[in-house]
Amino acid sequence: DQQVKQNSPSLSVQEGRISILNCDYTNSMFDYFLWYKKYPAEGPTFLISISSIKDKNEDGRFTVFLNKSAKHLSLHIVPSQPGDSAVYFCAASEGAQKLVFGQGTRLTINP
Amino acid sequence: GAGVSQSPSNKVTEKGKDVELRCDPISGHTALYWYRQSLGQGLEFLIYFQGNSAPDKSGLPSDRFSAERTGGSVSTLTIQRTQQEDSAVYLCASSLGRPRAGANVLTFGAGSRLTVL
Repeated sequence: DQQVKQNSPSLSVQEGRISILNCDYTNSMFDYFLWYKKYPAEGPTFLISISSIKDKNEDGRFTVFLNKSAKHLSLHIVPSQPGDSAVYFCAASEGAQKLVFGQGTRLTINP
Repeated sequence: GAGVSQSPSNKVTEKGKDVELRCDPISGHTALYWYRQSLGQGLEFLIYFQGNSAPDKSGLPSDRFSAERTGGSVSTLTIQRTQQEDSAVYLCASSLGRPRAGANVLTFGAGSRLTVL
């Protein structure tokens, strides 16, 4: 039962343009959502989060949007830079319960 | 320590052997997770420790897998009678674990890459 889904395994974007990564979830009890970034041979690192009481959170070039009615989460990166090339995982949790991850989307930023 | 430390970073073993993977979480973090990432796959939840509560073992794929956390700190993931499908990167993470903003921000280690021949 995949509670958190990232349906696009890969995404290619030109440098300077906007990258949009999407995530869907099925558990309506999830109340905290996060995005992680992973480079090869490293552990994932925290990028940005949002609680269910908000619909948007922004941190520099990164913005996360939450649409609770659609059970949909997205990460916008603008402008995209070559260093943003990585695998991005969305994750969700209910209270202090375990964090559930999606399958990841490999983002490639082309010069 | 400053970060989550995992050892060994790489382990090659023969099918049927037992392996132990170790995780040192960030000091003061009450929650500890094990995940694994098989080639081309996402992060698969294995087990979750939260303080003194009974661990959530719902992600362990078989009874060959077990984990313990001693003294609320160091954790060991043990895989008995390893199989080739156990080959993966095993990731440990820790967090503050309290239900408040930012509590579920996990800090991951670099992982232990297990190869079963």
